[in-house]
Amino acid sequence: DVKVTQSSRYLVKRTGEKVFLECVQDMDHENMFWYRQDPGLGLRLIYFSYDVKMKEKGDIPEGYSVSREKKERFSLILESASTNQTSMYLCASSFDSRGLGELFFGEGSRLTVL
Amino acid sequence: TQLLEQSPQFLSIQEGENLTVYCNSSSVFSSLQWYRQEPGEGPVLLVTVVTGGEVKKLKRLTFQFGDARKDSSLHITAAQPGDTGLYLCAPHPPSGGSNYKLTFGKGTLLTVNP
Repeated sequence: DVKVTQSSRYLVKRTGEKVFLECVQDMDHENMFWYRQDPGLGLRLIYFSYDVKMKEKGDIPEGYSVSREKKERFSLILESASTNQTSMYLCASSFDSRGLGELFFGEGSRLTVL
Repeated sequence: TQLLEQSPQFLSIQEGENLTVYCNSSSVFSSLQWYRQEPGEGPVLLVTVVTGGEVKKLKRLTFQFGDARKDSSLHITAAQPGDTGLYLCAPHPPSGGSNYKLTFGKGTLLTVNP
C-alpha cells in the first residue's frame, strides 16, 4: 500500500517562527503536493512538484516555500508563521506523469499559530 | 476561472436513508474524481469518471458523470454510519489545462446517524 507520512499531526507555533512540515512517500511517486484545508474554503493547492528539485506554485503560494531534494520527500516551509496560516495541511503524492492519477494523501498536520 | 460548486454543503440523515450529492461546474471536465475524507484522515479516492454519461457503481455508491461533462452526482443507497465523511469532487481540466493544479470542491459533509 502507498503510504504518505507527514511528520507531525499537531504543531503549535508562535507568530514569526520558522515552521517546517515534512512529508515522505514510499512509492517512488513523481508528483507531490501540499494543500491546506480550511472550513468553508475547502482544499487549496499551495505548491506542487513533479520531479526532484522542480516546484511550481499552486493557487495560494504566498507566505510559503517548498523543498524537494529527494524524490520521496517534500517539505513545506513557513518562513515567518502568521496567525492566518493556522490550518490543516495535507501532503499528497501521485505517479501519473500527466498529473491525472489518483492522489494519495497523508493524515494531515494541524498547525496552530499563536 | 472555473466555478465549482458542491451541494448540499451539509447533510445529516438517518441510517438506511438514500441520498444524492452534486458537483457542478461552469466548465467542461476531461474527467472527474470523487474522494471521501473521514474525520482525522486525508481524503481517499473513491472513483474516477471519464466518459460523459458514464455510471459507475461501488457497492452502495453510484457515481454519474453528466453527458456534457460539466457535472457529476454521487448517490448512496441505504446509508450507514460508516459513510460519514466529507465527500469531495475534483475535476480535471480539459486537455491543455494544467493537470497538476487539481481543484477540489468545498465538499459535502455527510453525517449518518445510527
